[in-house]
Amino acid sequence: GENVEQHPSTLSVQEGDSAVIKCTYSDSASNYFPWYKQELGKRPQLIIDIRSNVGEKKDQRIAVTLNKTAKHFSLHITETQPEDSAVYFCAASGPSGGSNYKLTFGKGTLLTVNP
Amino acid sequence: NAGVMQNPRHLVRRRGQEARLRCSPMKGHSHVYWYRQLPEEGLKFMVYLQKENIIDESGMPKERFSAEFPKEGPSILRIQQVVRGDSAAYFCASSLWTGGARETQYFGPGTRLLVL
Repeated sequence: GENVEQHPSTLSVQEGDSAVIKCTYSDSASNYFPWYKQELGKRPQLIIDIRSNVGEKKDQRIAVTLNKTAKHFSLHITETQPEDSAVYFCAASGPSGGSNYKLTFGKGTLLTVNP
Repeated sequence: NAGVMQNPRHLVRRRGQEARLRCSPMKGHSHVYWYRQLPEEGLKFMVYLQKENIIDESGMPKERFSAEFPKEGPSILRIQQVVRGDSAAYFCASSLWTGGARETQYFGPGTRLLVL
C-alpha cells in the first residue's frame, strides 16, 4: 500500500519568513495530493491540493509543487503569520477505478510562527 | 451548509464498555469515511461507506469494530468492549461523488475517545 513520509516534524519560523514542508510517497500510481491544516483540537481543513497532471499550484500565500519522477511534493507558505501556526498534514491517494478515496496521511508537521 | 457533524465530541468509556460515534455528512453528500488519529500521528483510514453499503473496511480492525451508514440517519462507528488502545480521535469525512471525478473530503470536528 501507499506510504507517505513527511518532514520536518516540527518547524519554527519568524513571522514574515517562508515555510516549506516536504512529503514523499511510495506508490507511483498515486495522483491526488491534498494538504490539510489542523489547529489544536479542531478538524483538519483542506488548504490546497494538486493532481498529478500539474506540477505547481498557487493560492495566495500558499503553493504546492509536485515532482512525479521523484515522488515528492511540497507545501510552501510565504509571508507567514502567527495564525498559520498549526499542524499541517500531507496526503496521497490512488487513481480513479482503484482505491482513490483512501487518503494516506503523513505524520504531520507542527508549524510555529513566532511574532 | 452546516458541514460535517460528529457527536459526541468527547466520550469517556471504561474498559469493556461500548462506544458509539455518530457522523452526519454534509448536506447532499452520500459518501462517508472514518479515520483514526492517535496522539502525534497522522490520520489513518478505517472504512468507507455509502448509503447502506460498506465499500472498503480494510483499515478497520476485524474484531470489535463495525460501521454502518443507514438509509436514514447518521453513520455510526461502533466499538465493542473498548480497550485502552482504542483511545484516539476519530474523524469522519464526507464527499460528494460526481461519477468518475474525485471530490474533496471534508472533515468533521472529531470524537475524542478516552478509555479508562
